[in-house]
Amino acid sequence: ELKVEQNPLFLSMQEGKNYTIYCNYSTTSDRLYWYRQDPGKSLESLFVLLSNGAVKQEGRLMASLDTKARLSTLHITAAVHDLSATYFCAVGGGGADGLTFGKGTHLIIQP
Amino acid sequence: EPEVTQTPSHQVTQMGQEVILRCVPISNHLYFYWYRQILGQKVEFLVSFYNNEISEKSEIFDDQFSVERPDGSNFTLKIRSTKLEDSAMYFCASSVVAAYNEQFFGPGTRLTVL
Repeated sequence: ELKVEQNPLFLSMQEGKNYTIYCNYSTTSDRLYWYRQDPGKSLESLFVLLSNGAVKQEGRLMASLDTKARLSTLHITAAVHDLSATYFCAVGGGGADGLTFGKGTHLIIQP
Repeated sequence: EPEVTQTPSHQVTQMGQEVILRCVPISNHLYFYWYRQILGQKVEFLVSFYNNEISEKSEIFDDQFSVERPDGSNFTLKIRSTKLEDSAMYFCASSVVAAYNEQFFGPGTRLTVL
């Protein structure tokens, strides 16, 4: 059974600081996804990482994937309040495979 | 920008009643999914659908659940006899390319079973 673990589950940080969210998964997979969810809202796709060593950046967020370590990271640079949300990583295969989600990291960025 | 839509946004039902949740996936997408999220918890996969048949389903997707694509645009999830524990947010998602499998989620239907 595939397990996806995120840490931390809760993070409160100040604007301007850097931090990293970690996502570990238990079995081999070459597809790793990061989603953002605002309270009461749907999931917004942030990054799709498809191969070992993949790195993607969008604004203050950067995601990377190490398939050998079964680890993905989501790095936040110089955090701003608008990035406050819950961030989920998810692992899945191709085709019509369902995604297995982590429990999410609830991120609060305080001014 | 194309998006997945879902109706209704909120459904309240009595325990034991049947409910049908509706989704319109993005028009050129080929793969369709249902997920649920119990309040405050993680998102859980229910079922995937491709080429007019179920492709994969989780343990949660038991005989009380069924999916259908009744026409060229709608994708539905039916729960035959709702239980209290079915109360959750139900998300529909769709994707277009098998290898990439980036899934785009709809806004969700909040199901409340009383």
